[in-house]
Amino acid sequence: QQQVKQSPQSLIVQKGGIPIINCAYENTAFDYFPWYQQFPGKGPALLIAIRPDVSEKKEGRFTISFNKSAKQFSLHIMDSQPGDSATYFCAASRSFGNEKLTFGTGTRLTIIP
Amino acid sequence: DGGITQSPKYLFRKEGQNVTLSCEQNLNHDAMYWYRQDPGQGLRLIYYSQIVNDFQKGDIAEGYSVSREKKESFPLTVTSAQKNPTAFYLCASKDTPTTDTQYFGPGTRLTVL
Repeated sequence: QQQVKQSPQSLIVQKGGIPIINCAYENTAFDYFPWYQQFPGKGPALLIAIRPDVSEKKEGRFTISFNKSAKQFSLHIMDSQPGDSATYFCAASRSFGNEKLTFGTGTRLTIIP
Repeated sequence: DGGITQSPKYLFRKEGQNVTLSCEQNLNHDAMYWYRQDPGQGLRLIYYSQIVNDFQKGDIAEGYSVSREKKESFPLTVTSAQKNPTAFYLCASKDTPTTDTQYFGPGTRLTVL
């Protein structure tokens, strides 16, 4: 019930392509879905987050698509750049409280020039 | 990394020794968290604290201990009872209950020799 499954484990995309990372959750009580970006040797940083009242959210080149009925959400990176090479984690929790974040296992993204 | 500092950045320990990792935040956040990150795995919650002098076990608390004597500080002790302590340790904080966003520190890499 608490799992968040993330795929793929690793992804290589040419510069300018659109990498897509997918996550699926089981707990229907989850209503907060953030994505974190982590560079090697650094702590994760919040990239973008979505709540179930919308099906899509954009911030710059990053877009979250959310499918409540399928219990899935995904991250799309438009016009990807080598500087986007990092590990991306999805997460989920119930919002507005001290609920724990449940993290996916991460996707190592490499953008090749 | 915001206003969260972790020290040291790298730590080496001999088997059988206890070691304490520091986490300090100047964000005036109520909640603080400790996570463990292993290669190819997501972040796993060790302990969390919602207020001073109170803390709860996370998913993998065995072999770890914490204290929360001050709002800005949440040190983690890795005891000799932790069977596989070599990992990257991340501290995070959150301004509970008004926001869901967790902010992460830069991490401490612990290696047991």
